[in-house]
Amino acid sequence: ELKVEQNPLFLSMQEGKNYTIYCNYSTTSDRLYWYRQDPGKSLESLFVLLSNGAVKQEGRLMASLDTKARLSTLHITAAVHDLSATYFCAVGRDDKIIFGKGTRLHILP
Amino acid sequence: DAGVTQSPTHLIKTRGQHVTLRCSPISGHKSVSWYQQVLGQGPQFIFQYYEKEERGRGNFPDRFSARQFPNYSSELNVNALLLGDSALYLCASSPSPYGTQPQHFGDGTRLSIL
Repeated sequence: ELKVEQNPLFLSMQEGKNYTIYCNYSTTSDRLYWYRQDPGKSLESLFVLLSNGAVKQEGRLMASLDTKARLSTLHITAAVHDLSATYFCAVGRDDKIIFGKGTRLHILP
Repeated sequence: DAGVTQSPTHLIKTRGQHVTLRCSPISGHKSVSWYQQVLGQGPQFIFQYYEKEERGRGNFPDRFSARQFPNYSSELNVNALLLGDSALYLCASSPSPYGTQPQHFGDGTRLSIL
């Protein structure tokens, strides 16, 4: 059974700092997704990672995938308050997509 | 372009009733998936449909069912509602079920069971 674990589940950090969110999954997969969710809102797609070593960047966010280690990371560079949200990783296997519990990110001004 | 639209936005039901939730995908998207999101948790996969056929099913009881219509819109039906069914139900669409492109999510239907 595919399981997806994120850590940390909650992160409070200062503006301007760097940090990394980790996403581990239990079985092989050929696709990994990162989403953002603001309170009371739906999910917004950030990245789709499809191969080992894939790296994608958008603004202050960079995601990477290591399929051998079954690990993806979402790195935040020089955090700003607008990045405060809950971030989910999700892993695809067969015709299912399994989400992690999410990392609630709170960036202090 | 219109995004994924879901209706209704909010719904209040009592235990034992049934409910039908509706989803219209982005134009050109043929795959629709349904998720249940309980407060403070990640979305839980319920179903995926593609070309009107069920492609995937999560660990939900048979009280949950869905279908997809020729225009690719979809309905999620839940029978014999329980208090634990209270959640945000999200619909997501994508061009295909093969996952090389991200799913686009609707704003969800918030279902409250009294």
